[in-house]
Amino acid sequence: DAKTTQPTSMDCAEGRAANLPCNHSTISGNEYVYWYRQIHSQGPQYIIHGLKNNETNEMASLIITEDRKSSTLILPHATLRDTAVYYCIVSLGNNAGNMLTFGGGTRLMVKP
Amino acid sequence: NAGVTQTPKFQVLKTGQSMTLQCAQDMNHEYMSWYRQDPGMGLRLIHYSVGAGITDQGEVPNGYNVSRSTTEDFPLRLLSAAPSQTSVYFCASLSNLNTEAFFGQGTRLTVV
Repeated sequence: DAKTTQPTSMDCAEGRAANLPCNHSTISGNEYVYWYRQIHSQGPQYIIHGLKNNETNEMASLIITEDRKSSTLILPHATLRDTAVYYCIVSLGNNAGNMLTFGGGTRLMVKP
Repeated sequence: NAGVTQTPKFQVLKTGQSMTLQCAQDMNHEYMSWYRQDPGMGLRLIHYSVGAGITDQGEVPNGYNVSRSTTEDFPLRLLSAAPSQTSVYFCASLSNLNTEAFFGQGTRLTVV
């Protein structure tokens, strides 16, 4: 699995967009980019994933650069309940042994 | 739909004791996995299974055994508990390797 680099922590004002960056410069052509978050000590929650194209769902948008070496998770209108640790993961989909390797993540603090 | 259910939620063991952490999913997922999360760290893969009767080791398998006799259940056994196994344990399942993983709420284990 390609390694990822994320900032350790970020702050965001409530109601503003939260943009969480992730670098994955060694990603290979068939590796997906996944984002999960973990609120307090609960089980991680899936947010979104993509391969090449930008993706959007009801929770967030995922922007992947054309060279796929970095991506940004966008929470369009952050709320206090979005305070969590956000994990960016790249995973080779056809190799179970590389199943979701979690790094340290970004601790997002949404402030009133 | 219960999703992924882990029992117990909390457990205290004495060094040398054995126990089994239970994990069950009702989504007919082929893939299941166990992670441990130490304070301030990301999740690390212990063991995983790609289907009933098939298991393999992850990043930190020592001191743990698993079996997968049915699609629904994936128990994790601690053979002789050690203080270094004090951690929060998460079970996850997914239908295939390019989709979202569903996590249980975790088992908080303390070994004294």
